[in-house]
Amino acid sequence: GAGVSQSPSNKVTEKGKDVELRCDPISGHTALYWYRQSLGQGLEFLIYFQGNSAPDKSGLPSDRFSAERTGGSVSTLTIQRTQQEDSAVYLCASSLGGGRNFGPGTRLTVL
Amino acid sequence: DQQVKQNSPSLSVQEGRISILNCDYTNSMFDYFLWYKKYPAEGPTFLISISSIKDKNEDGRFTVFLNKSAKHLSLHIVPSQPGDSAVYFCAASVGATNKLIFGTGTLLAVQP
Repeated sequence: GAGVSQSPSNKVTEKGKDVELRCDPISGHTALYWYRQSLGQGLEFLIYFQGNSAPDKSGLPSDRFSAERTGGSVSTLTIQRTQQEDSAVYLCASSLGGGRNFGPGTRLTVL
Repeated sequence: DQQVKQNSPSLSVQEGRISILNCDYTNSMFDYFLWYKKYPAEGPTFLISISSIKDKNEDGRFTVFLNKSAKHLSLHIVPSQPGDSAVYFCAASVGATNKLIFGTGTLLAVQP
């Protein structure tokens, strides 16, 4: 079966522009997570969706970041007015419980 | 505040020998622990997990040990193979489905 997919795989944008990153989780997985990995850093938790519960947004670094998950499936992470420090690999994961299955990530470069 | 710490940024071992990767955590509420492996330009791949009711879990060449009193876990790989060369992340959560908090990773290099 298909794993977690993310698009685009690479995104280059100019400072101040908005970007949208997409995640397609594994079908039937109720939990979806967004992480990011900056250069030389570990994986930083951003946001977590579990079923119909209110998302855990405790990891979002600023109000420029938002995410939604439509119909309990696809998720979109939006970064408004991008800054150079937003440059990172943005990783999405889904699970049904236990081990999380990660997608390949979106590499975001803000010039 | 780094709740999950991997104090060794890198580790080099000879093929066939044991690799031991260490991880410490500070949050005593964590009750579920995982190890992930990550190759460059790929997402992390789940390796092995352990819940706090156990102190050891084994899967083939991979064994995870949990010492709750010391808030320490380790991943043993034996025998190590060159294909094991990757960055290894430990992660912890409160409950098996809640958000994972990751360590900063250890780069393992297995020399042929």
